[in-house]
Amino acid sequence: NAGVMQNPRHLVRRRGQEARLRCSPMKGHSHVYWYRQLPEEGLKFMVYLQKENIIDESGMPKERFSAEFPKEGPSILRIQQVVRGDSAAYFCASSLQGPRGGTEAFFGQGTRLTVV
Amino acid sequence: AQSVTQPDIHITVSEGASLELRCNYSYGATPYLFWYVQSPGQGLQLLLKYFSGDTLVQGIKGFEAEFKRSQSSFNLRKPSVHWSDAAEYFCAVGAVTGGGNKLTFGTGTQLKVEL
Repeated sequence: NAGVMQNPRHLVRRRGQEARLRCSPMKGHSHVYWYRQLPEEGLKFMVYLQKENIIDESGMPKERFSAEFPKEGPSILRIQQVVRGDSAAYFCASSLQGPRGGTEAFFGQGTRLTVV
Repeated sequence: AQSVTQPDIHITVSEGASLELRCNYSYGATPYLFWYVQSPGQGLQLLLKYFSGDTLVQGIKGFEAEFKRSQSSFNLRKPSVHWSDAAEYFCAVGAVTGGGNKLTFGTGTQLKVEL
């Protein structure tokens, strides 16, 4: 059973371009989470999705950022018109739906975005 | 809102010495608590988790953690550290949201192991 797969592992974008980060959850997992890790900081929650639904996007910047988890295919985190402050590691995690949500999340290797 | 505090940013221990990494949390209900480890340039690996039951939980790689409700703590321990344990360690608390588990992380503790 493959783990959480993220691609690309490294992404370089010029200011103003778009960045698309992909995440394939573990087989059978219906919950996907995106986190951002800025240099020298811990991970910050961005968004939580189930298939075709955004459940909680309280950590997502209001502008330029969007996320989706379609019925078929990977989850996508999209950042439009990137700025230098978007440079960070973006991690995806997935989990099963457990009783009262008490289930662990498995993390991917991350995508390291550099904006030049 | 939940929060996690890891008061030690950096810790250095000698190989073979014991280790304790501190974690304090704030959460309004019974928490789901986790410890993750991150090696440079890598993702996060789950070391152990507490959901309910026995307050002393065993994890992988010889780690254990004790949940103390009265102190709002979930400290990570290992009796004898190996050089390969050098990494960054994150404590996290989970909030139940729509059946899932949204995590709030501490800022991490960087562990250095001296040979």
